[in-house]
Amino acid sequence: ETGVTQTPRHLVMGMTNKKSLKCEQHLGHNAMYWYKQSAKKPLELMFVYNFKEQTENNSVPSRFSPECPNSSHLFLHLHTLQPEDSALYLCASSQDGPQDLRGYTFGSGTRLTVV
Amino acid sequence: QKEVEQNSGPLSVPEGAIASLNCTYSDRVSQSFFWYRQYSGKSPELIMSIYSNGDKEDGRFTAQLNKASQYVSLLIRDSQPSDSATYLCAVNGDYKLSFGAGTTVTVRA
Repeated sequence: ETGVTQTPRHLVMGMTNKKSLKCEQHLGHNAMYWYKQSAKKPLELMFVYNFKEQTENNSVPSRFSPECPNSSHLFLHLHTLQPEDSALYLCASSQDGPQDLRGYTFGSGTRLTVV
Repeated sequence: QKEVEQNSGPLSVPEGAIASLNCTYSDRVSQSFFWYRQYSGKSPELIMSIYSNGDKEDGRFTAQLNKASQYVSLLIRDSQPSDSATYLCAVNGDYKLSFGAGTTVTVRA
C-alpha cells in the first residue's frame, strides 16, 4: 500500500463505547497529525507527533487519547464521546515536521458517528 | 479573528470560465501557503503551494501571494466539471498548518 491509510472508514459508536482509529503512512515521513473536520468548519488540528514525540495537543478533551508507537503508525483512542464529536477524523503526515514546505499528505479519513 | 478566512461560496462558474478563490490570513510570520482540493466524501489533496510574493502557475492553476496584504488566491482557468469541489486554503505558521473553512466551487456544464 502507498500513501496514508486510515481504518475504519466508517464508525458508529455509543457514548459509553471505547474504540480506536488507526492511521498508517507508507511515505517514510517523520511527522503525523490528527485533524477533525466538521461540516462548514475549518479543519481543526488535534495532535501533532514529530519523530514519535507529541509536540502539540490543541486543547483536546481527554476523551480523545493519541498514541504513536513509531513514526509510521498513529492511533486515536476514543472513550465516552459526545454526539458533538461526530465528524470526519483525518490523519496526515509530512516529511520534515509541521513546517514542511511540501505540505501534508492526508488519509481518506474515518467518518465517526456518536449515537 | 479567524486565522485563515475564505468565502464559503458556493461559487458557480460556467465551464471554460475562470474561477477565482480568495483567502486571507492573520499570522504575519506565515511563510508557506497551500491550496488543497477536497471532493465530497474524500480527503484533501494538495494542488498548489506558494512561498514567495507573486504568481505561481501549474497547468490550469495559478496561485497568487501578497504577504504585505496577507492575501493568497487561486485561479482556475478553463474550468471543467471535474473541478467541482471544495478548495481549502492552508497557511503554515506557529509550527502548524491552519486551514480555512473552504470555498465550494461548482462548474456548470
